[in-house]
Amino acid sequence: AQSVTQLDSHVSVSEGTPVLLRCNYSSSYSPSLFWYVQHPNKGLQLLLKYTSAATLVKGINGFEAEFKKSETSFHLTKPSAHMSDAAEYFCVVSSYGGSQGNLIFGKGTKLSVKP
Amino acid sequence: NAGVTQTPKFQVLKTGQSMTLQCAQDMNHNSMYWYRQDPGMGLRLIYYSASEGTTDKGEVPNGYNVSRLNKREFSLRLESAAPSQTSVYFCASSEEAWSGQPQHFGDGTRLSIL
Repeated sequence: AQSVTQLDSHVSVSEGTPVLLRCNYSSSYSPSLFWYVQHPNKGLQLLLKYTSAATLVKGINGFEAEFKKSETSFHLTKPSAHMSDAAEYFCVVSSYGGSQGNLIFGKGTKLSVKP
Repeated sequence: NAGVTQTPKFQVLKTGQSMTLQCAQDMNHNSMYWYRQDPGMGLRLIYYSASEGTTDKGEVPNGYNVSRLNKREFSLRLESAAPSQTSVYFCASSEEAWSGQPQHFGDGTRLSIL
């Protein structure tokens, strides 16, 4: 069975410092993995996705994530935080064992950015 | 350049009432989805439509029905609302048929059931 664990429910950084949001996954299949961002009172926006090509995936707004099979991790990073990055971030694994392409969402990590 | 549009944005219902949440996308996408979001639980798939003319149950379909009216529109109906259905509902779409990977989300419908 597939599952995803976001290791921090809340991360706080200062503007201009690096961002690290941690995600571990469990999957019986070769997984597809995603990061989505949700700004307050908005829907989710796809940041990036991994689908078994390059292990380092670049996304929008300067974010990237590295797929590490040996560590079953897919951590999201950004070299320098901006105030506009303050939002909630969801790590997601795609399950092909049940409903076609059903996504399993982590519980979210709320990122705060201090000036 | 609207993307995915959901109506209404807010709604309060009494237990037992029915209502339909509307969703439309203008990107000519094949797949459409309905999710619910509850505090601390991420999103859970209610129903999805992998292509025009098809619908399938997701993780939490009980108490809901859907209609893929045409390629643009995908509605979600609560026949007899219950307090457990108080949630934020998101409609989403993706270009690929059968992908299961939503690309664009609406801004949500906040539904309270008393």
